[in-house]
Amino acid sequence: QLQLQESGPGLAKPSETLSLTCTVSGGSISRTSYYWGWIRQPPGKGLEWIGNIYDSGTTFYNPSLKSRVTISVDTSKNQFSLKLSSVTAADTAVYYCARLGGGWDIFTYYFDHWGQGTLVSVSS
Amino acid sequence: QSVLTQPPSASGTPGQRVTISCSGSSSNIGSNYVYWYQQFPGTAPKLLIYRNDQRPSGVPDRFSGSKSGTSASLAISGLRSEDEADFYCAAWDDSLSSWVFGGGTKLAVL
Repeated sequence: QLQLQESGPGLAKPSETLSLTCTVSGGSISRTSYYWGWIRQPPGKGLEWIGNIYDSGTTFYNPSLKSRVTISVDTSKNQFSLKLSSVTAADTAVYYCARLGGGWDIFTYYFDHWGQGTLVSVSS
Repeated sequence: QSVLTQPPSASGTPGQRVTISCSGSSSNIGSNYVYWYQQFPGTAPKLLIYRNDQRPSGVPDRFSGSKSGTSASLAISGLRSEDEADFYCAAWDDSLSSWVFGGGTKLAVL
């Protein structure tokens, strides 16, 4: 059974870089039928898409975060990662990693499995 | 302000049918599939409806989705207390080159 697990520091300081890793178990991250993404949810608020990574390293990022976001894949560890630079208190949120499946082109894949989420607080 | 518009709350009594709307535009709902997610407090969202009206295995047929033009709806029939949750619609937006979500609807079973 596919499982995704986020890991990383639960606290980041303003202006620093937030780094999270998603470990995939129960399936290979390099399987070409699936892609990978990050979504976040500020406390008490709705969901915000951060970005996705597709095969060949193609990435799509939320335009509002694009200048600060990097998503990468490490197939040797069956993991993918998120880096968000120059964080502020507004970046405090539960961060979810998710798998995109079920599509036939990059615009028809959708988030079909989610990790449990990890809370990252930005504070000095 | 979310790109997709949902009512912040909805409610019904056990056994009733409730619908939750999701309004968008030609660049998202109007030209792409709509997805619905259910989220219980403190847990991750779970896929409820994909490609407008398809249910993943394990999702009861009490849940149904539909789409017309630039709007979509999630219907829950035979409402049960365990359906209390937050519901989010989502779609790809061609103009923004971005996934967009609705602001979420909190469902109360009275």
